[in-house]
Amino acid sequence: GAVVSQHPSRVICKSGTSVKIECRSLDFQATTMFWYRQFPKQSLMLMATSNEGSKATYEQGVEKDKFLINHASLTLSTLTVTSAHPEDSSFYICSALRDGDTGELFFGEGSRLTVL
Amino acid sequence: KQEVTQIPAALSVPEGENLVLNCSFTDSAIYNLQWFRQDPGKGLTSLLLIQSSQREQTSGRLNASLDKSSGRSTLYIAASQPGDSATYLCAVRYLMNTGFQKLVFGTGTRLLVSP
Repeated sequence: GAVVSQHPSRVICKSGTSVKIECRSLDFQATTMFWYRQFPKQSLMLMATSNEGSKATYEQGVEKDKFLINHASLTLSTLTVTSAHPEDSSFYICSALRDGDTGELFFGEGSRLTVL
Repeated sequence: KQEVTQIPAALSVPEGENLVLNCSFTDSAIYNLQWFRQDPGKGLTSLLLIQSSQREQTSGRLNASLDKSSGRSTLYIAASQPGDSATYLCAVRYLMNTGFQKLVFGTGTRLLVSP
């Protein structure tokens, strides 16, 4: 089956530091990946669309310089939360669109970020 | 603006009942629609994917239908079990003019099936 691995699953950091979250498609190639943010008991909010070899497309209201996205290969996209603050604490989930497929999305297990 | 709404927001039923979860979307020019379940603190598990040209998909006790003209999809869960307790999300994918894809999630339905 199609597996998407997200790492780390949990991270606690001090305010002002930067945190990198990785999203890997383990057994398929994914030109396109998506990053979401989820607040407690709420649905997923799309932050940005990550495309291999090009700049990410950010949704309105999402700060590009705050949430850096890099999609350097067909199996890896990274989200870096720069100069994190407590309000950045959230559950971040990535998903990958398998190349040449019917358009089914596969999701990582999510990363819970807590900024102290 | 493309919006996806799910009704009801929460549902609590005894074990064994047949359930209907609803998803409505404002823009009917969809590429496909996917139903997911999410357990607390976890990622999403894909349940069913319906292409825009399809009317329904079935997997075990689950059946999802799609009516593009009315902007609706329903997820039927037959003979519900306590293990079905989770949040169910529908997501609609659109193809943008830029060639990129955009996925819009519904607000979710929190389901609790009691023994």
